[in-house]
Amino acid sequence: AQTVTQSQPEMSVQEAETVTLSCTYDTSESDYYLFWYKQPPSRQMILVIRQEAYKQQNATENRFSVNFQKAAKSFSLKISDSQLGDAAMYFCAYRSRETSGSRLTFGEGTQLTVNP
Amino acid sequence: DAGVIQSPRHEVTEMGQEVTLRCKPISGHNSLFWYRQTMMRGLELLIYFNNNVPIDDSGMPEDRFSAKMPNASFSTLKIQPSEPRDSAVYFCASRVGRRATYEQYFGPGTRLTVT
Repeated sequence: AQTVTQSQPEMSVQEAETVTLSCTYDTSESDYYLFWYKQPPSRQMILVIRQEAYKQQNATENRFSVNFQKAAKSFSLKISDSQLGDAAMYFCAYRSRETSGSRLTFGEGTQLTVNP
Repeated sequence: DAGVIQSPRHEVTEMGQEVTLRCKPISGHNSLFWYRQTMMRGLELLIYFNNNVPIDDSGMPEDRFSAKMPNASFSTLKIQPSEPRDSAVYFCASRVGRRATYEQYFGPGTRLTVT
């Protein structure tokens, strides 16, 4: 079974600064997807960024980028130019690429605080 | 598109009562997921439907929980009888297809409190 671990329960960053959230996972599969979801106080789960394991290039979405290290099974999220609206709980998630692999496995989450 | 719609947004009930949570997936999506989020266990998949058929219900905690999807636009998650340990936020998510390449879109969640 796959597991996802986020070792940082809480992180804080100053507005306009850069912060990196860590995520490691364990799997025996070679092809899969990794995600970062954001959950603001509204509780809505919002997809931030997605990475296909077969792609070597790190995914980027505006101020959000990932550092995907497949051999190390590491998938960190970097938020540049942090904004107050980035404050939320962030979840790392794994999903198999197999057609039957619909289960999203989530990490424990990292609560990000952005200080003005 | 209105996104995934869940109701109610908040539910407070007494132990032993029946609770029904509702979900309307995004139109055209044929896969639907129910998740539960608690402090102790994080986010867990409870059950997954494809074309209204339950595909994976291995996450359903016990017989007190049941889920149905009578048609493509509606699903329910029922807890009977409810217990305080069922208190959690329950999310519904939908996806356009069965392939893992497609994204799951989450609803706003229902916060359930069982006293």
